[in-house]
Amino acid sequence: DTAVSQTPKYLVTQMGNDKSIKCEQNLGHDTMYWYKQDSKKFLKIMFSYNNKELIINETVPNRFSPKSPDKAHLNLHINSLELGDSAVYFCASSQEWWGLQETQYFGPGTRLLVL
Amino acid sequence: DAKTTQPNSMESNEEEPVHLPCNHSTISGTDYIHWYRQLPSQGPEYVIHGLTSNVNNRMASLAIAEDRKSSTLILHRATLRDAAVYYCILRDVDLGANAGKSTFGDGTTLTVKP
Repeated sequence: DTAVSQTPKYLVTQMGNDKSIKCEQNLGHDTMYWYKQDSKKFLKIMFSYNNKELIINETVPNRFSPKSPDKAHLNLHINSLELGDSAVYFCASSQEWWGLQETQYFGPGTRLLVL
Repeated sequence: DAKTTQPNSMESNEEEPVHLPCNHSTISGTDYIHWYRQLPSQGPEYVIHGLTSNVNNRMASLAIAEDRKSSTLILHRATLRDAAVYYCILRDVDLGANAGKSTFGDGTTLTVKP
């Protein structure tokens, strides 16, 4: 059983398009995250949701809009894609968003290439 | 945010111990030290974490300096499958401005030679 899954695994699209990446976790966790890993392998947090509420928004352009329909899902919608959005996007989850139960479980990543 | 500093890369021979250092001189009293690793083409995975005392689990050991300004991840017998980027990060367990944020630095790329 995959703990944190993401779809699609690969996404190739043209500049200006709108695309979504889906994430699901079956761990019963309350908190989910989106990270972006650029070509230099630097991993940067973008958003965090706890119980479907946004708790962290790290200066991400408003073209990026996360949506959490329920605790097990956190989707990422990106409008008007730009070349600089090309990266690997990782979803993660943890039991809580602060405190001692913060071990994060990451998905396999979605490799986005904007042409 | 408290930051961590790690060497860019390290090499090890298979079946030998590996000591991966991390400096965190601005660590606060409520920061836990976490280590994650990222195997090629995979998402990061949790390795170990600690606060003050040394910690052991099935994957590794974590040695924390008495002043907590540095720590060392110890792989007792490196295997080829341990080749990965190892990240040392600080997680504030206090409900403050830094709660919930993990700042992943550049990490150390570990190469294991057969």
